[in-house]
Amino acid sequence: AQSVTQPDIHITVSEGASLELRCNYSYGATPYLFWYVQSPGQGLQLLLKYFSGDTLVQGIKGFEAEFKRSQSSFNLRKPSVHWSDAAEYFCAVATTGTASKLTFGTGTRLQVTL
Amino acid sequence: EAEVAQSPRYKITEKSQAVAFWCDPISGHATLYWYRQILGQGPELLVQFQDESVVDDSQLPKDRFSAERLKGVDSTLKIQPAELGDSAMYLCASSLTRTDTQYFGPGTRLTVL
Repeated sequence: AQSVTQPDIHITVSEGASLELRCNYSYGATPYLFWYVQSPGQGLQLLLKYFSGDTLVQGIKGFEAEFKRSQSSFNLRKPSVHWSDAAEYFCAVATTGTASKLTFGTGTRLQVTL
Repeated sequence: EAEVAQSPRYKITEKSQAVAFWCDPISGHATLYWYRQILGQGPELLVQFQDESVVDDSQLPKDRFSAERLKGVDSTLKIQPAELGDSAMYLCASSLTRTDTQYFGPGTRLTVL
């Protein structure tokens, strides 16, 4: 079965600083990979997804992620963080067989200091 | 922009009571999902519908949880009786097909006292 590990429970960055959130997955074949963001008390919003092709994926709100097969990673990056980016970020994986059963990581809470 | 609707947003109930949540997916979305998110964890799939049929309920505690999507549009998730451990956020999501992006609703925050 597939699994996702987000090693950082909580990250604090200053506004304007760069950001990288780590995600490692476990799956035998090439997975479908996703990053979602969740503001307090809200549902999840899709930031970006990787299905195939270019391993550098651009998403909404200035986020990007890079799929690295050799490292089983799909890290999320943003060059300059805004205070409104403070939220919980979830990495998720789906198998290429169904593509619909998402397995989520435990999330990384991002705090932005002014 | 079309959104997934859920109600109620918040629900407080006592253990052993029955509780129900409602979800209205984005129009035209054939696939509907119910997730449970315990505080500090990622969402976990409870049940998946394709139109009105259940295609995956392997993680649904069937002794107390039930879900239906009678006309293949909106859906209801019920818990009877509720237990303290059921306190969580219940998220509904929908997608156009089984392989398309899932869009999430705002969730129902359940507190069982």
